[in-house]
Amino acid sequence: GAVVSQHPSWVICKSGTSVKIECRSLDFQATTMFWYRQFPKQSLMLMATSNEGSKATYEQGVEKDKFLINHASLTLSTLTVTSAHPEDSSFYICSARAGGNQETQYFGPGTRLLVL
Amino acid sequence: AQSVTQLGSHVSVSEGALVLLRCNYSSSVPPYLFWYVQYPNQGLQLLLKYTTGATLVKGINGFEAEFKKSETSFHLTKPSAHMSDAAEYFCAVSEGTGNQFYFGTGTSLTVIP
Repeated sequence: GAVVSQHPSWVICKSGTSVKIECRSLDFQATTMFWYRQFPKQSLMLMATSNEGSKATYEQGVEKDKFLINHASLTLSTLTVTSAHPEDSSFYICSARAGGNQETQYFGPGTRLLVL
Repeated sequence: AQSVTQLGSHVSVSEGALVLLRCNYSSSVPPYLFWYVQYPNQGLQLLLKYTTGATLVKGINGFEAEFKKSETSFHLTKPSAHMSDAAEYFCAVSEGTGNQFYFGTGTSLTVIP
């Protein structure tokens, strides 16, 4: 099956620093990638949809200048949390969908961010 | 607008007992429906999906789900629970290829030995 990886799996940073999270599709080309945020014991909240070569589409309430998304290639999308604060601590999960009539999203293992 | 409701945020079953996790959806068009499982500190793994065709869908690990249009439901079942089934389960709906997913709030399954 399709495999999606995320790096790093864990990150701890100081308040005010920026953190970059990578999402890679390992065995398929992902024309679309999604970034989700998940709080403890809660469901996934879609943050943004990222199409290769174009600007990401952000969901309402998500600050695009704080959560920078780049989808520079068909196998890589990055999420940068800029000037992170403790309230940004969360579990960030990406998913990828192949091109064509592909209806399934394949999820990465997630990245847990802790901002001190 | 689409939405997904998972009744029961916590379900406990005995090992060997039937597992039933409920999912109801609303959609203005024929939906695509998915069940994902999430183990602690991990991403989501696809259990099964319904797009078109047979309404009873079989997935991995012995799970299956039935799409019932009249009831707008897509409940997940497994005849006999295993300890390894303990996890968080999410139901999701989309309006077809290329569209975003809408997730339910999840159901935490506990299996009692």
